[in-house]
Amino acid sequence: QKEVEQNSGPLSVPEGAIASLNCTYSDRGSQSFFWYRQYSGKSPELIMFIYSNGDKEDGRFTAQLNKASQYVSLLIRDSQPSDSATYLCAVGERSNYQLIWGAGTKLIIKP
Amino acid sequence: DAGVIQSPRHEVTEMGQEVTLRCKPISGHDYLFWYRQTMMRGLELLIYFNNNVPIDDSGMPEDRFSAKMPNASFSTLKIQPSEPRDSAVYFCASRNTDTQYFGPGTRLTVL
Repeated sequence: QKEVEQNSGPLSVPEGAIASLNCTYSDRGSQSFFWYRQYSGKSPELIMFIYSNGDKEDGRFTAQLNKASQYVSLLIRDSQPSDSATYLCAVGERSNYQLIWGAGTKLIIKP
Repeated sequence: DAGVIQSPRHEVTEMGQEVTLRCKPISGHDYLFWYRQTMMRGLELLIYFNNNVPIDDSGMPEDRFSAKMPNASFSTLKIQPSEPRDSAVYFCASRNTDTQYFGPGTRLTVL
């Protein structure tokens, strides 16, 4: 069974520091990788996606992908209290339009 | 763009009653997904459609659940009869290229 694993947290990070969120996946055929943010009582919203090995940066967010290690991470620089949320990792295959979802990591940014 | 629209936002019903959840996807999106989210099980895919055709309903928990998509702009998820264990937040998402966009969700409580 295809699985995506995340540490449930909570991960507590001081304001202004770098938050590092990690995700591992079981299916080597996976080709697309997504990070969603979900505030309490709200729906998941896309932060960014990555397809290729290496880093992809978007503002304060950087996604890192290592297909050999089946590992994807999200770095948040200069963390703000507004970044406090649950971060969901999702993994997909090109041939299958479903996403396999992790259980999410709860991030708390302390002022 | 209005985004994915779901109704109702909240539904409280009694065990045994029929529940119908509604979704309007983003115009031009050809995939529609129904998810259920609980604290215990996280985000679970129930069923998804492509061009109004159900592609995979293996996540539908029981025959009490059914989903339809009569046209490109409307889908329903029906539970009949409802049970307390169906209490959850139900999300509809639509997709273009690789990215899924979520609606605000329907919080269902079955007493």
